[in-house]
Formats: sequence, C-alpha cells, structure tokens
Amino acid sequence: KAGVTQTPRYLIKTRGQQVTLSCSPISGHRSVSWYQQTPGQGLQFLFEYFSETQRNKGNFPGRFSGRQFSNSRSEMNVSTLELGDSALYLCASSPGPYNEQFFGPGTRLTVL
Amino acid sequence: KQEVTQIPAALSVPEGENLVLNCSFTDSAIYNLQWFRQDPGKGLTSLLLIQSSQREQTSGRLNASLDKSSGRSTLYIAASQPGDSATYLCAVSPLNQGGSEKLVFGKGTKLTVNP
Repeated sequence: KAGVTQTPRYLIKTRGQQVTLSCSPISGHRSVSWYQQTPGQGLQFLFEYFSETQRNKGNFPGRFSGRQFSNSRSEMNVSTLELGDSALYLCASSPGPYNEQFFGPGTRLTVL
Repeated sequence: KQEVTQIPAALSVPEGENLVLNCSFTDSAIYNLQWFRQDPGKGLTSLLLIQSSQREQTSGRLNASLDKSSGRSTLYIAASQPGDSATYLCAVSPLNQGGSEKLVFGKGTKLTVNP
C-alpha cells in the first residue's frame, strides 16, 4: 500500500509570491492534516480536513489556506510569502478519528 | 491549553545500551498518544500508538507506556543500535476537539547511538 505522498519535495520562492503544496493520502484515508515544522517552533498544526470539510484550524494567519478534494487529496496554499514561512510542511492522513496518523516526507519550502 | 514536553532534548549513548525517552503532557484529557521517529530532513515515521485506555504498547525492541493520570509517557528502546539515531517525537490527541484529530507535539529528543 502506497504511503502518503507530497509534491513537490522542495520549493524555492521569493517574498511576496504564493505557493501551492499537494498531499495525496493513503488509499482509503479520508482525514488529512497539515503541519509546519521549524527549528524554533517545532511542529505546529495548520489545518485538518475530513470528507472535504475543514474540521479544525490552527493559529496561523489567513494567508494560509487549504482544501480537500472528493478523492481525499488535499492542497494548501500560502499567499504573500514571508521569510518566516520557510519550513518543512508535513501532511498526515488517517482512516478516521483517533486512529494512527501517517506522515508524508514533507515539502521543504525556502523563501528568499 | 495542552502542552507536551520532552526531556532531555538530546541524548548520546553507546551501542547496546537500553534507554528511556520521556514525554509529559499538561492535560490528561487525551484520546491517544503517539510516538514518532524523524530522520534529518525527512517526514515522521509512526512507531507506536497508545489509546488512552491502554497502559503500554510494544513493537520489537520498543515499548511505550502511558500514565494518563500523571501526564507521562515513556519510550523504552532495548539494545540500542546506531540505526536508532534519530529525533523521537511524542504527540497527544486532545479530547474536546469536536472529533478533530489535531496532534500536539513535543519538541523531540535527538538520540545518537555511538558504535
């Protein structure tokens, strides 16, 4: 069974640009969550989707948004990039509430 | 607000040693606790999931315990190997999130096993 996949794996952008990251969950998993990982703050929750509905949102500015499609694939978008948005963005999927969560390899975003 | 702490932040041991990693959380109202491993620049690999009603889980050389009332979990690694070198992260899934699966993470313990 294929794991969680994330594309692209690496991105370099400049301040003010926008970026879209993609996550394909494990087949059959309907829940997708996104996290930002930085050396200073560690792993911080961005948002969570279940059956195309945002179920929870972390404490991030409105420049961070996401969505989930009918096939459970999810995208997150960051607009007007700032230097502080440089991070590893991780996606996790699970079959449903309170189950084990499985993470993808992440997308490394660098903002110059 | 749930907070998760992992001590120590870094640990270096000789190969073959048994070791314990610690995780504490401030609110005992959790659904489960999960231990992950992260290699440099990579994603997270799930090691063990302990439901709130369980006391421990075992997988190979790994054993994780949970004491929900005291807000503590430990990850025991037996007969450590250089390949165990990685950062180990603990995460809890808080109750009262309306079904959300949001995880709250500690900052991890960086383990180095020396040959």
